[in-house]
Amino acid sequence: EVQLVESGGGLVQPGGSLRLSCAASEFTFSDYWMGWVRQAPGKGLEWVANIKQDGSEKQYVDSVKGRFTISRDNAKKSLYLQMNSLRAEDTAVYYCVRPNFGSWWFDPRGQGTLVTVSS
Amino acid sequence: DVVMTQSPLSLPVTLGQPASISCTSSQSLVYSGNTYLNWFQQRPGQSPRRLIYKLSNRDSGVPDRFSGSGSGTDFTLKISRVEAEDVGVYYCMQDKDWPHTFGQGTKLEI
Repeated sequence: EVQLVESGGGLVQPGGSLRLSCAASEFTFSDYWMGWVRQAPGKGLEWVANIKQDGSEKQYVDSVKGRFTISRDNAKKSLYLQMNSLRAEDTAVYYCVRPNFGSWWFDPRGQGTLVTVSS
Repeated sequence: DVVMTQSPLSLPVTLGQPASISCTSSQSLVYSGNTYLNWFQQRPGQSPRRLIYKLSNRDSGVPDRFSGSGSGTDFTLKISRVEAEDVGVYYCMQDKDWPHTFGQGTKLEI
């Protein structure tokens, strides 16, 4: 069964950096676009970034452009999100997502990884 | 950006009764014969779970009491008979245009 396991979250000071990872299994990772979605505590869902199968195309929401970098390693079946210049408003649970039947899908068993930006 | 607007934001329901959530997009979500509108359920303390994709296709394992409909810019998620396990927040989401965007969420409570 398809599985997406996020890791790398934690407490970081404003202005700091963090790298999130997503380990994928039970599907051909290199065949799929991948993405990150976040959810601030008690708030709704916000798309963060997407990356094409070969990494040649990347998309970012305006609020993270220039600060976050999405990348992937198809050999390791892993997705990454390098987050720099972190702000309090980046505090959220970050979910790894992939398309399924042509539309974006969360692993319902995934827990996400919590990033807390605070001094 | 495509703005997704849900109503109501809070939906008190009675067990066994139907429920309906509306979602409106600021632009058409139709492209190449498909409507790129999805519905997600988030139960308390859990990750989001997709229920419906491309307007009306139910995901595997989703009870048939859930159905999606609509066209162009106006969409509806219907639950034919609400059960206790349906409590949570429901989001519509468009993935036709970048950035993909979600509605504010509708909290369904018994």
